[in-house]
Amino acid sequence: EAGVAQSPRYKIIEKRQSVAFWCNPISGHATLYWYQQILGQGPKLLIQFQNNGVVDDSQLPKDRFSAERLKGVDSTLKIQPAKLEDSAVYLCASSLWGPKGSEQYFGPGTRLTVT
Amino acid sequence: AQTVTQSQPEMSVQEAETVTLSCTYDTSENNYYLFWYKQPPSRQMILVIRQEAYKQQNATENRFSVNFQKAAKSFSLKISDSQLGDTAMYFCAFMKPGGAYKYIFGTGTRLKVLA
Repeated sequence: EAGVAQSPRYKIIEKRQSVAFWCNPISGHATLYWYQQILGQGPKLLIQFQNNGVVDDSQLPKDRFSAERLKGVDSTLKIQPAKLEDSAVYLCASSLWGPKGSEQYFGPGTRLTVT
Repeated sequence: AQTVTQSQPEMSVQEAETVTLSCTYDTSENNYYLFWYKQPPSRQMILVIRQEAYKQQNATENRFSVNFQKAAKSFSLKISDSQLGDTAMYFCAFMKPGGAYKYIFGTGTRLKVLA
């Protein structure tokens, strides 16, 4: 079974530029998560989708971050404009829904550096 | 709100020895899941072990076992016969079933296994 795919793996941009990350979850996983992991910290949930609907986006900085999962499969996370403090690894994860979805499967992440 | 605390930022252990990583959490829930995830230097997080709070028996997966103390809200991970490949960041996570099924992660413990 193919794992969670993310691209790009690395991205360097200047502040105030925009950037987009892509995630393709494991086939059949209804739930998709985007996390921000700042160096030395645990992952922080940014947004959670159930199919193509948003379940939780309470920690998403909506003035600059946006995410979509239009067909309920792959997803994109965008930052516009980027700030220095957005430098982090952005992790995508997927799971089944409900009690069977207690295990999340993570992608390799995208390391973003904002200069 | 639930919180997860890992009080050991870094630990080291000699190869073949045993090491215990600590995790405490705070919740008013009675039913929940606890997890240990491993994040090797390549950064893809994988599940190490899972514990369901209603199960009194401590979970075990090969060389990995937990000491789950529900009343004390403690969930430690014991790694026996440590191997060089165990070198990684280890994250403790809490999940309340129902609703969004989202994780709360601790800040992590960096474990280094020494040859």
